[in-house]
Amino acid sequence: AQSVTQPDIHITVSEGASLELRCNYSYGATPYLFWYVQSPGQGLQLLLKYFSGDTLVQGIKGFEAEFKRSQSSFNLRKPSVHWSDAAEYFCAVGAGIQGAQKLVFGQGTRLTINP
Amino acid sequence: DTAVSQTPKYLVTQMGNDKSIKCEQNLGHDTMYWYKQDSKKFLKIMFSYNNKELIINETVPNRFSPKSPDKAHLNLHINSLELGDSAVYFCASSHRLSYFNYGYTFGSGTRLTVV
Repeated sequence: AQSVTQPDIHITVSEGASLELRCNYSYGATPYLFWYVQSPGQGLQLLLKYFSGDTLVQGIKGFEAEFKRSQSSFNLRKPSVHWSDAAEYFCAVGAGIQGAQKLVFGQGTRLTINP
Repeated sequence: DTAVSQTPKYLVTQMGNDKSIKCEQNLGHDTMYWYKQDSKKFLKIMFSYNNKELIINETVPNRFSPKSPDKAHLNLHINSLELGDSAVYFCASSHRLSYFNYGYTFGSGTRLTVV
């Protein structure tokens, strides 16, 4: 069965520092991978996605992610975080056949920014 | 011009009551979903509808009954509410055959508290 693991439940970084959030997936075929962000009390917003092509994908808000098939990973990065980046981040894999697809989410990583 | 709107945003009710949550999307998507986010922020799919047809039912108790009167609306009715039903319920929508291009669009969630 498809699954996603985000090993870090909570990460704290200083404003201006670089960030990397880890994501490992389990999926038999070529995965469709997504990163979403959830601000407090809000819904989920798509940051970026990958399903083919260049393994380094750019997203909104200055985020990028790199797909590494050999490591079954899709880590999210940002070179310099801003206080407004504090939120919950979810990695997800698209699962199922086309007619019955769904997103399977990781447990989420809560990002705290120190001033 | 909200893309996916859910009502109500907050719902506090007593055990044993019956309640409904409504969802509407104006994106022209053909597939809609209900996800449940528990107290640990874990997101899990409950149901998926494509063009008013139920295509995913993830072992959800029979007390939960989704209804899709048309492809722009997906409602969730819950009978005999239990304490364990307390969670945030998210509605989402997508194009079934191109969700990997755009991901899912999520509503802002309904926080259900059963007392």
